[in-house]
Amino acid sequence: AQSVTQPDIHITVSEGASLELRCNYSYGATPYLFWYVQSPGQGLQLLLKYFSGDTLVQGIKGFEAEFKRSQSSFNLRKPSVHWSDAAEYFCAVGPLHTDKLIFGTGTRLQVFP
Amino acid sequence: ETGVTQSPTHLIKTRGQQVTLRCSSQSGHNTVSWYQQALGQGPQFIFQYYREEENGRGNFPPRFSGLQFPNYSSELNVNALELDDSALYLCASSFSSDGQETQYFGPGTRLLVL
Repeated sequence: AQSVTQPDIHITVSEGASLELRCNYSYGATPYLFWYVQSPGQGLQLLLKYFSGDTLVQGIKGFEAEFKRSQSSFNLRKPSVHWSDAAEYFCAVGPLHTDKLIFGTGTRLQVFP
Repeated sequence: ETGVTQSPTHLIKTRGQQVTLRCSSQSGHNTVSWYQQALGQGPQFIFQYYREEENGRGNFPPRFSGLQFPNYSSELNVNALELDDSALYLCASSFSSDGQETQYFGPGTRLLVL
């Protein structure tokens, strides 16, 4: 079955600390992977996506993610977290040429000053 | 800003009623998808429309239906509302660039069914 697992429901970090949010997927075909961020009361904003090529993907707001096929993972990282990064983060997988994304249940990030 | 708008922002209905949610996409975005996001969950794919035809459906009953119009607007209709339909409903539009879909989400409509 196709699925996305985000093992961490809630993560708390101090401002300036590094961050890694985990994402594991189960997908029968070549996966196309996405990370979205959702602030309270808002829709989803695309942070980055991986379709092919370099397995280290750079996104907006200083985020990056690394695709590891052998581990079926697509973890999101940021070297130094800002208070404004506090939000809900969703990993998603889907096939090329469609928008039928499968989302994980999300990781809520809390940032302390 | 994604250029995708949704209306209304909030809506309260009672069980058994019908509701229509609206989405307006960017010009040129010929694909629109609808998702349901229950509280504390990730979005779940309801269905997708491409050039006004349904192009895939998730695990949702037929009382969830949609329309897409030539002016890049679309609707999600839900009949016979149930309490479990309470959720944030997101639409997402996309275009194809170099064969890679880029999807943009609207802010959502929060539906409460009493």
